[in-house]
Amino acid sequence: EAGVTQFPSHSVIEKGQTVTLRCDPISGHDNLYWYRRVMGKEIKFLLHFVKESKQDESGMPNNRFLAERTGGTYSTLKVQPAELEDSGVYFCASSHLAGGSTDTQYFGPGTRLTVL
Amino acid sequence: SQKIEQNSEALNIQEGKTATLTCNYTNYSPAYLQWYRQDPGRGPVFLLLIRENEKEKRKERLKVTFDTTLKQSLFHITASQPADSATYLCALVRTGGFKTIFGAGTRLFVKA
Repeated sequence: EAGVTQFPSHSVIEKGQTVTLRCDPISGHDNLYWYRRVMGKEIKFLLHFVKESKQDESGMPNNRFLAERTGGTYSTLKVQPAELEDSGVYFCASSHLAGGSTDTQYFGPGTRLTVL
Repeated sequence: SQKIEQNSEALNIQEGKTATLTCNYTNYSPAYLQWYRQDPGRGPVFLLLIRENEKEKRKERLKVTFDTTLKQSLFHITASQPADSATYLCALVRTGGFKTIFGAGTRLFVKA
């Protein structure tokens, strides 16, 4: 079974540009999460989808970040316009059961975003 | 304020010894606590989950304890091996929530 995949693995952009990160969860997983790790800090929750609906987006830093999960399959996280402080590693995770808060989350390898 | 604290200093131990990592939290009421392993360039990998009403959980060479009075979890790796070298993350989920909150992790080095 394929794991969670993320694309791209690395992205280097200039301040003010737009970047879109993609996450493909494990097939059949209803729950999809986005997290971010800024250098030297802990991994922080951004948001949680159950199928195509946003269950909790309390961790989204500001309105420059937009996450979508059309059709309840893959998800995208767009940053527009990117700022220097957006640099970090963005992780996606998925889990199986809708509403199962103790489900094991399977993480992707992350996308390393560098904003210059 | 709410905090999860893990030893920021790396832990160096000799192969065959038991590694013990600490996770302390303040101002949370966790429903359960998880431990993850993370290798460089990879995402976290789930290891163990322990609920608030459980004192101890074991899985092969791994053991986790959870003391809600002390607000602390200990993570033990017995008979450690160089392949156990990685960063270990503590994470908790609050009662009634889904959001996972991570500590910064402790780096473990096991020397042969």
